[in-house]
Amino acid sequence: DGGITQSPKYLFRKEGQNVTLSCEQNLNHDAMYWYRQDPGQGLRLIYYSQIVNDFQKGDIAEGYSVSREKKESFPLTVTSAQKNPTAFYLCASSASGTRKSPLHFGNGTRLTVT
Amino acid sequence: ELKVEQNPLFLSMQEGKNYTIYCNYSTTSDRLYWYRQDPGKSLESLFVLLSNGAVKQEGRLMASLDTKARLSTLHITAAVHDLSATYFCAAQTGNQFYFGTGTSLTVIP
Repeated sequence: DGGITQSPKYLFRKEGQNVTLSCEQNLNHDAMYWYRQDPGQGLRLIYYSQIVNDFQKGDIAEGYSVSREKKESFPLTVTSAQKNPTAFYLCASSASGTRKSPLHFGNGTRLTVT
Repeated sequence: ELKVEQNPLFLSMQEGKNYTIYCNYSTTSDRLYWYRQDPGKSLESLFVLLSNGAVKQEGRLMASLDTKARLSTLHITAAVHDLSATYFCAAQTGNQFYFGTGTSLTVIP
């Protein structure tokens, strides 16, 4: 079955450490996205990528970095510069161009930094 | 930047009642989506609305789109407990998706 896989489901880190969240899709989608969700709030866009080796900052990119070396993969690194990293992180993908589709979401990674 | 507003933010309703969630967006959008999120879970796509006057129905949920008013509605008919969740609308322009803040729906027996 096609889908998006995020790992790990839960992640615990000490303050000051960088951490990388994995996102892999086998939907053959060109576009991939990272969102952050805080309790009781909506989704805020961190980064998105429309094509391999290219990505753009979203609304809250500070303290985060991404790479898009393969179409299937879009890992997110939460750096020590991110002041309040504890949150629920959602990766998504969609077809682009004339094959526009809804966002398909992974199951999320819940990051806790202490 | 496209702004999306949902109301109400919180909705508590009795089983069997009807209600409507509203989604306004600020500028022209290519498509309008509705998603459902259960507590601690990811988002599940419910409806895609492509053009003015579009109406989609699935079970007790019906979504509609008025592009002239820049308004989409999600109507709940004869609510049941299983519909308790948070509902998000999202407007798409190009490859960007803009989300509303969500409506937390609780259906009371």
